[in-house]
Amino acid sequence: DQQVKQNSPSLSVQEGRISILNCDYTNSMFDYFLWYKKYPAEGPTFLISISSIKDKNEDGRFTVFLNKSAKHLSLHIVPSQPGDSAVYFCAACQGKTGGGADGLTFGKGTHLIIQP
Amino acid sequence: NAGVTQTPKFRILKIGQSMTLQCTQDMNHNYMYWYRQDPGMGLKLIYYSVGAGITDKGEVPNGYNVSRSTTEDFPLRLELAAPSQTSVYFCASSYSGQVSNQPQHFGDGTRLSIL
Repeated sequence: DQQVKQNSPSLSVQEGRISILNCDYTNSMFDYFLWYKKYPAEGPTFLISISSIKDKNEDGRFTVFLNKSAKHLSLHIVPSQPGDSAVYFCAACQGKTGGGADGLTFGKGTHLIIQP
Repeated sequence: NAGVTQTPKFRILKIGQSMTLQCTQDMNHNYMYWYRQDPGMGLKLIYYSVGAGITDKGEVPNGYNVSRSTTEDFPLRLELAAPSQTSVYFCASSYSGQVSNQPQHFGDGTRLSIL
């Protein structure tokens, strides 16, 4: 049973426009969420995170929104740039602790393609 | 600053062979993790360690063993390779288990094929 779902395997966006990547979760115990970015042949790199006590967190061109009642979060990238083309993973954990057996629960990822 | 280093990058094994995937980090992190990523899937936790001499199972530990004799190194051992273990393996580390303070840092992965 997938607890973190990214239902769009891929997304194509024009350069300069907004990219919106979505993520849904089913485990109501999750209270910390992260986005990782992954280029081919590299490991995931941390991008941005949000605690369940917030509904928005912003870092430069990247903003994550959290809707707890809907168990939904989204990552907005504005404006989208060619270097943003990558696979984006949504991850979640309980109690802000990504260590331990509970660890991070990852979605399957969304491949974002920025078209010139 | 090397971060998390994994070797080898690629490996092909025959069914029943054994091998060790190496992982080392130079950030003095206490926590280390092994994940596997199957095609089209998210990462799943195999084993983790909260410090030298301490290891524990994650979500998918069957068929694997780990050890943590030093803070820097966290090797993953496959004893009897099976086709189901064909995957990309990622090692990660973090200073503590509190992702709110410091998220996990990942290596570039080992792509393993069992034929």
